[in-house]
Amino acid sequence: GAGVSQSPRYKVAKRGQDVALRCDPISGHVSLFWYQQALGQGPEFLTYFQNEAQLDKSGLPSDRFFAERPEGSVSTLKIQRTQQEDSAVYLCASNRGTGNSPLHFGNGTRLTVT
Amino acid sequence: DAKTTQPTSMDCAEGRAANLPCNHSTISGNEYVYWYRQIHSQGPQYIIHGLKNNETNEMASLIITEDRKSSTLILPHATLRDTAVYYCIVRVAWDSNYQLIWGAGTKLIIKP
Repeated sequence: GAGVSQSPRYKVAKRGQDVALRCDPISGHVSLFWYQQALGQGPEFLTYFQNEAQLDKSGLPSDRFFAERPEGSVSTLKIQRTQQEDSAVYLCASNRGTGNSPLHFGNGTRLTVT
Repeated sequence: DAKTTQPTSMDCAEGRAANLPCNHSTISGNEYVYWYRQIHSQGPQYIIHGLKNNETNEMASLIITEDRKSSTLILPHATLRDTAVYYCIVRVAWDSNYQLIWGAGTKLIIKP
């Protein structure tokens, strides 16, 4: 498909496990964003890439969260030693990175930490 | 903190126009107003954006007041598939790109 693809769609992890969430942006989109969305809340910014460069990671809640986009396309959000408060939907979005180009979102990965 | 305020929820009859208000009294002169919606279990979907002038596309119309302190998203003929949470967002720009600060949105329920 032509949209942003995220996998897995659902992930259940036991507390303390590491998880990796994948995002395939729209082809040619230079900018990629990760957001965290708690139940009943709007998305909260985590981090932003322009091509392979991580230009802003101010939203990452702790040093257990790490994101990468080594070739400027696919991105992975990794959470180490998961905690229950990490349970949320993790959304990935991309855009052309020019002017006012809107964000295109994937359907997210719902992470549940037990 | 989100720079916008929206009603928590609204109802609208199917086939009627749905008018969703948004206040952004602290908006800066170079900040745009964006609208997204999120249908249950899906990612947010872009609807429309504007700076000063009213805007219209195939999905909706955006009416921005002259002082730019508020706006209204209009879905001209609401259908049941328009039931979603609608987010009004002000763009905070830095460098060549931007991040969006989201509030809790308006849950719009379209009733048959």
